[in-house]
Amino acid sequence: QITLKESGPTLVKPTQTLTLTCTFSGFSLSTTGVGVGWIRQPPGKALEWLALIYWNDDKHYSPSLKTRLTIIKDTSKNQVVLIMTNVDPVDTATYYCALAVIAAPVLGAFDIWGQGTMVTISS
Amino acid sequence: EIVLTQSPGTLSLSPGERATLSCRASQSVSSIYLAWYQQKPGQAPRLLIYGASSRATGIPDRFSGSGSGTDFTLTISRLEPEDFAVYYCHQYGSSPRTFGQGTKVEIK
Repeated sequence: QITLKESGPTLVKPTQTLTLTCTFSGFSLSTTGVGVGWIRQPPGKALEWLALIYWNDDKHYSPSLKTRLTIIKDTSKNQVVLIMTNVDPVDTATYYCALAVIAAPVLGAFDIWGQGTMVTISS
Repeated sequence: EIVLTQSPGTLSLSPGERATLSCRASQSVSSIYLAWYQQKPGQAPRLLIYGASSRATGIPDRFSGSGSGTDFTLTISRLEPEDFAVYYCHQYGSSPRTFGQGTKVEIK
C-alpha cells in the first residue's frame, strides 16, 4: 500500500523559512520513473503546483516561486523535503505531496496524494 | 506556461443528471498528459482520469474523459450523491505543470 504524509509547522511568521517534509511508504524514490511533487491550495482556492523531484534527482520548480523553493530527497529515509524561504501571508495554504510515476500508464499524473498539512503565515 | 480554463465555474444539477465539465488549454496539450481530479471538502484531491480518457483504479465507469489539443471534457453520466464535489483538470506534459481553477458540481 502506498501512502504519503506531510508534516511541518502549522504557524510560521512572515519572512521566515518554511520546511515541510513528505514521508512516504510503499515505493522507493530510487526506482526509475518515480517522482514526488508538492502542490498547495490556499483556503477556498485552486490547486497550485510547486515543485517535483525525480528518482534521478532531476528537479522542477514553479517559475513564479523558483527563487524561494528548494526540493530535496532523502532516499534512505523515504522523505522529500520542501523548503520555502521568505514566506508571506499569501503562502497560507494546505500543502500536499503526491506521487508521480512517469512510466505507463499514468505517465506522471499525481496518482496518490497525502492528506495535506495546513500552514498559516502570520505574525 | 499552459493556462487551463475550466467552465462553468459552478454546475447546479440534480442526482441522476448528466454533468459535462470543460477544460480549455491556452496551447495544445498532448492528450496523454491531461488528468482530472475530484476533491471533496476537507479531503485531498483524488485522481479520476489520466491520459485524457483512462479511468484511474477504482473509478466508476460513469466517469469518462475525452478531448484533444486544447479542448477536454469530463462527463459524469448519472450523478450520484457522492459525486458532488470540485473537479480540477491538470496538464503534466510540459513544465511548469498547471491546474485549472476548478468546477464545483453542486446539488440543485
